[in-house]
Amino acid sequence: AQRVTQPEKLLSVFKGAPVELKCNYSYSGSPELFWYVQYSRQRLQLLLRHISRESIKGFTADLNKGETSFHLKKPFAQEEDSAMYYCALSGRLSNFGNEKLTFGTGTRLTIIP
Amino acid sequence: KAGVTQTPRYLIKTRGQQVTLSCSPISGHRSVSWYQQTPGQGLQFLFEYFSETQRNKGNFPGRFSGRQFSNSRSEMNVSTLELGDSALYLCASSLGLGDFSYEQYFGPGTRLTVT
Repeated sequence: AQRVTQPEKLLSVFKGAPVELKCNYSYSGSPELFWYVQYSRQRLQLLLRHISRESIKGFTADLNKGETSFHLKKPFAQEEDSAMYYCALSGRLSNFGNEKLTFGTGTRLTIIP
Repeated sequence: KAGVTQTPRYLIKTRGQQVTLSCSPISGHRSVSWYQQTPGQGLQFLFEYFSETQRNKGNFPGRFSGRQFSNSRSEMNVSTLELGDSALYLCASSLGLGDFSYEQYFGPGTRLTVT
């Protein structure tokens, strides 16, 4: 079974301070991990995925298979980063593409000016 | 390119009724997924359709069903509505190519209220 845990429902950080949103997962096979973001009055959208290994809007996330974590980090928070962040997992099946996307319960990040 | 559209945007139904929600994916996308979003449970996967076939299914009762048409548009149906079915129902489309192409593009959602 797939499970994604985001332990923090709410997170407040001062502008310019580092941000870390935690995500832990449980999956016995080979996972693909994603971070989705929902800004106020906007649609849920993909922020980044671990296979891309890229930085989006200054955010990075490293898949740590030993700790089964995929924490989202940004060195200097900006006010426009205030949003709801969801960690998600999709299991890779060898012959049939990916399994369903399982989301965490989300973390609401508020950047304090 | 037009985004994912969902109709209706808001819906009020009474217990026992049934409801049909519609989703039009991004042009060229063949995979459509449905999610239920509630404050208590967050985003929960309902089902996914690819080329008119249900490929994945979440843990929801049989009252929740869906289908996909040849033009990739999808509908989901909920029969015998219960108060607990009140939620935001999100549709998402993707290219559905499998390998490393599972980015979901979400619609604005349909807010269903059951009274």
